[in-house]
Amino acid sequence: DTGVSQDPRHKITKRGQNVTFRCDPISEHNRLYWYRQTLGQGPEFLTYFQNEAQLEKSRLLSDRFSAERPKGSFSTLEIQRTEQGDSAMYLCASSAQGSGNTEAFFGQGTRLTVV
Amino acid sequence: RKEVEQDPGPFNVPEGATVAFNCTYSNSASQSFFWYRQDCRKEPKLLMSVYSSGNEDGRFTAQLNRASQYISLLIRDSKLSDSATYLCVGGGYNKLIFGAGTRLAVHP
Repeated sequence: DTGVSQDPRHKITKRGQNVTFRCDPISEHNRLYWYRQTLGQGPEFLTYFQNEAQLEKSRLLSDRFSAERPKGSFSTLEIQRTEQGDSAMYLCASSAQGSGNTEAFFGQGTRLTVV
Repeated sequence: RKEVEQDPGPFNVPEGATVAFNCTYSNSASQSFFWYRQDCRKEPKLLMSVYSSGNEDGRFTAQLNRASQYISLLIRDSKLSDSATYLCVGGGYNKLIFGAGTRLAVHP
């Protein structure tokens, strides 16, 4: 499968625990995005990487959230001290650098449930 | 005010109907526009890009009006399989902003 891959697909955790999600983008894509989506809402932008550099970060990304893309390939999103309000679908997308419209392709997401 | 706004619907239409969705965006610096389709509990999938000149892909036509800052999607000859949520997207390469989506239900 050459699409965007996310792991795990589902995660149930107790409040206060830390969780880490992984995203493997399409191999030739240097742009990577993280989004969060709750029921009935569209995806909310969290952060953007170009290669290994984190160039854009939403104010939604509190100090409990951190994202990395150390070698410009896969990325991780960590949530520390999880809260029930963190329960959501976390989506990763990637796109290729180029002129004009550069479409982003999504992975299947990681569904987080904080109990 | 949200950066990208859509009518949440739902739009309930019979098979064969033509249905149109509109979307407005507030950031005049937005450069890239798309329509995505999202099925229940699935990831968003790109339906089509939206260009200033307008573009068509089979039964789907997208238009962009930069002066009024709105985007439209027209679906002709609706199929049952078109039932989904349609997400309007605007932004730049560093941040794509999604609307909350418009739900479409096509019935026999």
